[in-house]
Formats: sequence, structure tokens, C-alpha cells
Amino acid sequence: RKEVEQDPGPFNVPEGATVAFNCTYSNSASQSFFWYRQDCRKEPKLLMSVYSSGNEDGRFTAQLNRASQYISLLIRDSKLSDSATYLCVVNGGLTGGGNKLTFGTGTQLKVEL
Amino acid sequence: DAGVTQSPTHLIKTRGQQVTLRCSPKSGHDTVSWYQQALGQGPQFIFQYYEEEERQRGNFPDRFSGHQFPNYSSELNVNALLLGDSALYLCASSFNVPTGYSYGYTFGSGTRLTVV
Repeated sequence: RKEVEQDPGPFNVPEGATVAFNCTYSNSASQSFFWYRQDCRKEPKLLMSVYSSGNEDGRFTAQLNRASQYISLLIRDSKLSDSATYLCVVNGGLTGGGNKLTFGTGTQLKVEL
Repeated sequence: DAGVTQSPTHLIKTRGQQVTLRCSPKSGHDTVSWYQQALGQGPQFIFQYYEEEERQRGNFPDRFSGHQFPNYSSELNVNALLLGDSALYLCASSFNVPTGYSYGYTFGSGTRLTVV
């Protein structure tokens, strides 16, 4: 079983639509959680951190359910510029110190006119 | 304020050759991690360097080795290249924060390695 699992998509949605991505992780000792965005042939960039209380940044809302080991990202009022791959990322921590980000395979979003 | 700088941006090598990739971390960052991203996959953790030592390592063979210098810059070396080593190699820098917290990771734009 992969440590972080995501539906690879692609999700093709019309501009203005609401789209939701989900992710599950296997390491119950994971301590911090993130969504990263990656544009084609570019490096990943942090979109937002994810907290159990839920957090919102403009049109983006992220939620963490530790009991179910489940992370979600909701994008409202999709824009063409939202087209990218969204990576679910978990920090499991490392024995002996340090931090290791574990990435899902990413979910591809295509927003269309 | 320069971000993470990686060189070269693109590289073509032949099977069996050796390659060295370089990374300069963001100013003030002291920890460097390397990731391999194959086409259609998420980045995979190779190893992390802090205080010039390899602190942790992912599931990669010994052909992958690295180094961190006193100025925090880092190199990734891959020996005996295989076709399957073709990928985007990403360097990420950060502050050394307590285990479990990884805010502040900054990725470089990567080195795209093609092995033929």
C-alpha cells in the first residue's frame, strides 16, 4: 500500500465549478500535512497547510481527519489558472530527527472554458 | 533573496555513466533534501543532509550518494546510471525544525536527467 494515495484524475471541470480532491495516508504517526501545487514541468509549490480544524485560503479549503487518516482540498469557483497537478503531502517525521515529506502521485486538474 | 538554485537544468547521460547534480539552498536554510520525480509520479525522498551529514535516507540504492558542504550547498551523485534513473531531481531546502514540522520547504526548479 502506498504511504499517500490520491486519485490521479484528470479532473476536467468547467470554469466556475467547485472541485474536491481527497487523499489518504497510511502512517498514523504523521504529524503535519500539506497540499502542494505543481505546474507542468515545474517544481512543487506549497499551496496550503492542512489542520484538523480546517483552514481556508480564499477559494481553497483544506481539511484533515486524523481518525480516518484522510485529507481533502476543496476549490471553489475554479479558474483556468487553477489547472495544475495537486499533490497531497504528509510529513511523517523521521526517527533520529529531521523531516521527510511523502508525496502522493498527484491529482491532475484541468479547468476548461 | 535567492531561492533554491539547482544546476544544471537539463542533462543527458549514457547508461553506466556517473552524474553530479548541485544545489544551493535558500539563504538562511541549513537543511537540504533531495527528491526524484519520475514522469507521472510524485516526488520520492532520496535523502536529507544536515550539518554536512546524511541524516535520513529513502529507499534508494547506494548508487545514489550525496554531500553537504560547510556553506550548506549540496551535491547528489548517481553512479552506474540506469535508464530508470531518468527523472526530474528536485532539491528542497529548509530550516532545521523539530521533527514533525516541515513548514518552509522551498524547492528548486530541478534538474531533468535523461539517461539514454
